[in-house]
Amino acid sequence: DIQMTQSPSTLSASVGDRVTITCRASQTISTWLAWYQQRPGRAPKLLIYKASSLESGVPSRFSGSGSGTEFTLTISSLQPDDFATYYCQQYDTYSTFGGGTKVEIK
Amino acid sequence: QVQLVESGGGVVQSGGSLRLSCAASGFTFSTYGMHWVRQAPGKGLEWVAFIRYDGSNKYYGDSVKGRFTISRDNSKNTLYLQMNSLRAEDTAVYYCAKDRSGGQYYFDYWGQGTLVTVSS
Repeated sequence: DIQMTQSPSTLSASVGDRVTITCRASQTISTWLAWYQQRPGRAPKLLIYKASSLESGVPSRFSGSGSGTEFTLTISSLQPDDFATYYCQQYDTYSTFGGGTKVEIK
Repeated sequence: QVQLVESGGGVVQSGGSLRLSCAASGFTFSTYGMHWVRQAPGKGLEWVAFIRYDGSNKYYGDSVKGRFTISRDNSKNTLYLQMNSLRAEDTAVYYCAKDRSGGQYYFDYWGQGTLVTVSS
């Protein structure tokens, strides 16, 4: 099974900050990686697919990069709506999610 | 607009069974693969099962293989999850999710979820 490891598990930041979340796969997954945002009590929302493709309707401050085993999600200027938990997901072989990164208000 | 509405959750005793449903609308249900994903209270996301658009192929996560069965009725635009031999660790919010396309296993729409609680 492919394991996905996210870091950090919690991140404290302020509005306007640039934020980077890392996701590592236990084996190569090419660019078969997605990122989701989940607000408390809500279903996850797709942000990025194929490692760097921005889902329609998602603000351009979100970007993804990486290939193989190392990936990043970057929020260029954190907005109040962005305080949430973020998950990476590999879909090279079935599906596995990372443990999540909670972005908190500093 | 795409809507996915889960139902059927509730409290069940360990060893019991439950069937979840997911009513789909706003897209051509019969042409998309569908998934179930779950989230234990305060925990992360876990993929549970996938069914091809025509029901011809089904795949399961290791933790539910042999106990859960995914199915669909394209005439009713409805996805199902039959859960048998339930365990305390199956307690979670269960989401149905639409596959983007071609069985790529990432999810562009999600339902609101239905809570399953397995009591011991």
